[in-house]
Amino acid sequence: EPEVTQTPSHQVTQMGQEVILRCVPISNHLYFYWYRQILGQKVEFLVSFYNNEISEKSEIFDDQFSVERPDGSNFTLKIRSTKLEDSAMYFCASMLGGLSRSGANVLTFGAGSRLTVL
Amino acid sequence: GNSVTQMEGPVTLSEEAFLTINCTYTATGYPSLFWYVQYPGEGLQLLLKATKADDKGSNKGFEATYRKETTSFHLEKGSVQVSDSAVYFCALRMSGNTPLVFGKGTRLSVIA
Repeated sequence: EPEVTQTPSHQVTQMGQEVILRCVPISNHLYFYWYRQILGQKVEFLVSFYNNEISEKSEIFDDQFSVERPDGSNFTLKIRSTKLEDSAMYFCASMLGGLSRSGANVLTFGAGSRLTVL
Repeated sequence: GNSVTQMEGPVTLSEEAFLTINCTYTATGYPSLFWYVQYPGEGLQLLLKATKADDKGSNKGFEATYRKETTSFHLEKGSVQVSDSAVYFCALRMSGNTPLVFGKGTRLSVIA
């Protein structure tokens, strides 16, 4: 079964450093998302991406964050200067989109990347 | 805004016990409702969904019914197994391609 893959599975970084989290969505999917979960808290929406641009973002997704689809397969989340409070599990998801097929509007998630900021 | 509230965990049950995980939502309009499950070391997987009032989603012995009158989508299973041990997330989405809104998750541990 097709899956979303994320790397790294765990990254430890110093405060102020830049971090890039990588995701390979399912190949024919058109919508891409990043979510995060701070330990013990809700899974929170960060950003959605469609047609090579951000389609929606939450208030969490400030100027320190950026997303990119540098080629036909990868979808990256960059945190420019990490803060302690960025420590969380980051989930990537993709969705086929459209209304014509069953399951087209179901998000498929990766296993997550755990970020620890010291 | 739209939100999901689910019961606090962890929930610990013996094998073959009955499971209920409560989920209620607040939304402006009529959302689609979902349960996702996260097994240890894995990503979030869709367990079941319901797109309109009175729909029942079911999968792997789990069921949830979309109750508009009580704004609820409680997850149930008649007889849990050790392999059901996971974190369960209730979620809603307002339309087509809008983001999912998740609850905090409920950790279920089933002991033999």
